[in-house]
Amino acid sequence: GIQVEQSPPDLILQEGANSTLRCNFSDSVNNLQWFHQNPWGQLINLFYIPSGTKQNGRLSATTVATERYSLLYISSSQTTDSGVYFCAVEALHTGTASKLTFGTGTRLQVTL
Amino acid sequence: DAGVTQSPTHLIKTRGQQVTLRCSPKSGHDTVSWYQQALGQGPQFIFQYYEEEERQRGNFPDRFSGHQFPNYSSELNVNALLLGDSALYLCASSLSSGVTPYEQYFGPGTRLTVT
Repeated sequence: GIQVEQSPPDLILQEGANSTLRCNFSDSVNNLQWFHQNPWGQLINLFYIPSGTKQNGRLSATTVATERYSLLYISSSQTTDSGVYFCAVEALHTGTASKLTFGTGTRLQVTL
Repeated sequence: DAGVTQSPTHLIKTRGQQVTLRCSPKSGHDTVSWYQQALGQGPQFIFQYYEEEERQRGNFPDRFSGHQFPNYSSELNVNALLLGDSALYLCASSLSSGVTPYEQYFGPGTRLTVT
């Protein structure tokens, strides 16, 4: 099956710093989503981005489908950005179902 | 617009027992997927339901079964619970058509502890 790798696994930032999270995937994809998992376990949708670039406030994402990677940018980080960031993909040849394969996540801690 | 809801929030069961978890999809969504998330790992796909049928199944034993109702809500059943079934169980809903088909939205999860 498709493999999803995220880097770095852990990241500690001071409030106000910028960061880039990376997601590499091993096959063509129909769908790529970025999620933020808060300390209570809720997965919050950040971006649906199988290709191209999107921005939402301090967050932006870019997926280069031909090179099989996606980047999540966080600018001017805040303590509320802390948590685990997951990249999840749906492989192109996944049959009739749209199952997501998740990476292992990047654990971000933003300190004062 | 109601998001994905799950019940119960937490559950403690004993080895060998059976458990049923429930999920109501986001308004307008017709597809429900279930995922298991062990501590420190990413969610793993269990199965997906569409039009009341299981469309695809991940690498989980037959002890895991499910159902989708005509109103699109879904249940996940786990029989003969093992200690290793302790995890956060996440339900996701999606719409099989539209601008962003298959974009998945997740519920808050049910945390299952097996003792």
